[in-house]
Amino acid sequence: DADVTQTPRNRITKTGKRIMLECSQTKGHDRMYWYRQDPGLGLRLIYYSFDVKDINKGEISDGYSVSRQAQAKFSLSLESAIPNQTALYFCATSDWTGKGDTQYFGPGTRLTVL
Amino acid sequence: SQKIEQNSEALNIQEGKTATLTCNYTNYSPAYLQWYRQDPGRGPVFLLLIRENEKEKRKERLKVTFDTTLKQSLFHITASQPADSATYLCALTSSSNTGKLIFGQGTTLQVKP
Repeated sequence: DADVTQTPRNRITKTGKRIMLECSQTKGHDRMYWYRQDPGLGLRLIYYSFDVKDINKGEISDGYSVSRQAQAKFSLSLESAIPNQTALYFCATSDWTGKGDTQYFGPGTRLTVL
Repeated sequence: SQKIEQNSEALNIQEGKTATLTCNYTNYSPAYLQWYRQDPGRGPVFLLLIRENEKEKRKERLKVTFDTTLKQSLFHITASQPADSATYLCALTSSSNTGKLIFGQGTTLQVKP
C-alpha cells in the first residue's frame, strides 16, 4: 500500500460548494503539507503542520482551511469553491532529521471547479 | 523578493547524451537544495539532496552541483534514457524557514531514442 494516500483522486464540483480533500500517511512522520500545482507555476504551499497541535499558513492560504485530526491525517477544505481553485492538489509528509527535510508526496487530487 | 528559477522551456536530448538542468535562486540563503522528479499526473519523488557546504553529490547516473556564490545548482543525468523523460523540480530549504521547501516551477526533459 502507498505510504501517502489522498482521497478523492478526482473531483468536479460547482462554484460555492464546500469541498474536503483528505490525506493519510503510514510513514509515521510528524510533518504534513498541502500544496497546489498549476501549469507553469510549480508547487505552492497552502498549509503545513509540524505536529498535531501546530498549523501554519503557507504562501497561498486564502480560501482554504485545514484540520490535523491525528498524526496520520491532514485534511484540506475549500469552504466555498471558486473556479480559480481548479488545480492539482498534493499532500506531502516529512520527518525532520536535522539533515534536510525530504518530502514524500501523495498521488494528488485533481480538482475542477465549474 | 525571493525567487527560484528553472528553465521553463523543455529540454530535448538524444538517448545516451548527458542532460543538464539548471536551478537559479535569488535572495535566499539555502541550507539545503533538493531535486525531485515528477511524472505526468503523479506526485514528485525525491532524488537527491545537497547541503550548502557540499559542492557535488552523486547517485548512480545522477549528479548535482551546488554553487552558493553563483546561487545555482546544476542537475546532470548521464547516459540518458527515454525512461528519464519527466519534469524535474528543484527545491530549497532556507536556514530561516524551519524546514519548509520552496519549489521551482520545474523543467521538462524529453529523451528521444
